[in-house]
Amino acid sequence: KAGVTQTPRYLIKTRGQQVTLSCSPISGHRSVSWYQQTPGQGLQFLFEYFSETQRNKGNFPGRFSGRQFSNSRSEMNVSTLELGDSALYLCASTPGRDGSPLHFGNGTRLTVT
Amino acid sequence: QKEVEQNSGPLSVPEGAIASLNCTYSDRGSQSFFWYRQYSGKSPELIMSIYSNGDKEDGRFTAQLNKASQYVSLLIRDSQPSDSATYLCAVNKGSYIPTFGRGTSLIVHP
Repeated sequence: KAGVTQTPRYLIKTRGQQVTLSCSPISGHRSVSWYQQTPGQGLQFLFEYFSETQRNKGNFPGRFSGRQFSNSRSEMNVSTLELGDSALYLCASTPGRDGSPLHFGNGTRLTVT
Repeated sequence: QKEVEQNSGPLSVPEGAIASLNCTYSDRGSQSFFWYRQYSGKSPELIMSIYSNGDKEDGRFTAQLNKASQYVSLLIRDSQPSDSATYLCAVNKGSYIPTFGRGTSLIVHP
């Protein structure tokens, strides 16, 4: 089985711009979660989508949004980028059952200048 | 009290030794427990899942769960320099989304 695929791997953006990150889950996985990882804050949960619906949400401002398509692929959007948004953004998928472990993609490294 | 706590380390062990990584959690209702390994600049990789009290072994790795004391540990036998990484503990209390600790940095020196 192919793993979780995230694109692009690297992004450099300027403050004020917006960015869209993409995630394709493992085949058959219906849940996709997004995390932000920074050296200072560790892994922070952004949101989780299951069957095209946001099922869980972390404590991030509304500039961070996401969606999931009928094929379970997911996108995450960050608008009005700030310097502090520079981070590794990780997508993870699971079948969607409670207690299933997360399987992470390789991540997208976002740098905001 | 943080929901999932880990000593940030670094934990330094000589090659061939046993590395012991510990994690405590605050919610007694937690049901699923995971250990992830993350190399610098890479994404987390699942090493072990454990759901019941006791030990679970997989190769050189053993996860130990004690729900009464609210801790989960990971033992790495015959540690190798390639085991040098950050180890993340994750705990799921029934919300589909696990809570992660900040991770313990492990250094295995030759």
